[in-house]
Amino acid sequence: GQNIDQPTEMTATEGAIVQINCTYQTSGFNGLFWYQQHAGEAPTFLSYNVLDGLEEKGRFSSFLSRSKGYSYLLLKELQMKDSASYLCAAMDSNYQLIWGAGTKLIIKP
Amino acid sequence: GAVVSQHPSRVICKSGTSVKIECRSLDFQATTMFWYRQFPKQSLMLMATSNEGSKATYEQGVEKDKFLINHASLTLSTLTVTSAHPEDSSFYICSATRGTGGPYEQYFGPGTRLTVT
Repeated sequence: GQNIDQPTEMTATEGAIVQINCTYQTSGFNGLFWYQQHAGEAPTFLSYNVLDGLEEKGRFSSFLSRSKGYSYLLLKELQMKDSASYLCAAMDSNYQLIWGAGTKLIIKP
Repeated sequence: GAVVSQHPSRVICKSGTSVKIECRSLDFQATTMFWYRQFPKQSLMLMATSNEGSKATYEQGVEKDKFLINHASLTLSTLTVTSAHPEDSSFYICSATRGTGGPYEQYFGPGTRLTVT
């Protein structure tokens, strides 16, 4: 079956760095998405990886290892506004997104 | 660019009535639109995928006669929850892509919170 695993909740300190891991099993693979979702709001796109390696975009970076079925989202210089859920989603061979349950990130001052 | 709107943002209805939710792509043509449901503290659950001008493809376990989807144009899709019950209370989110059959980014609407009393 198809499956996405990511931690349920993480806590980090303002100004620090946090890494949110995601492992996936899909029928075929057409890329890995990360979305940010604040409580009561819709998800917003953060990143897309289809090749192995690290993609950096400002304070956020995303990494992919296709051989390991593994990705992580790295958030640097954490700000209070980064408190949100982070959703990992893998795209299968039919271009359908398989969603993880999300990681709730709590930022403490 | 790539803005998706949803209307209404919140709706309260009585059990047994029907509710229509609109999803519009404001500045692009959405070849494909998706409807999701999200319960508190849970992930997004895909309900159906619709391509303009064709019938929606429903996910297993989603009743197509209860959740009517119409994708009449490249900028508008509607979800009608018929004979709503309290267990249908949820956060309904639509998303849209510019193309089909590819790793296209999904642009999400702001969501509609439905409460059935």
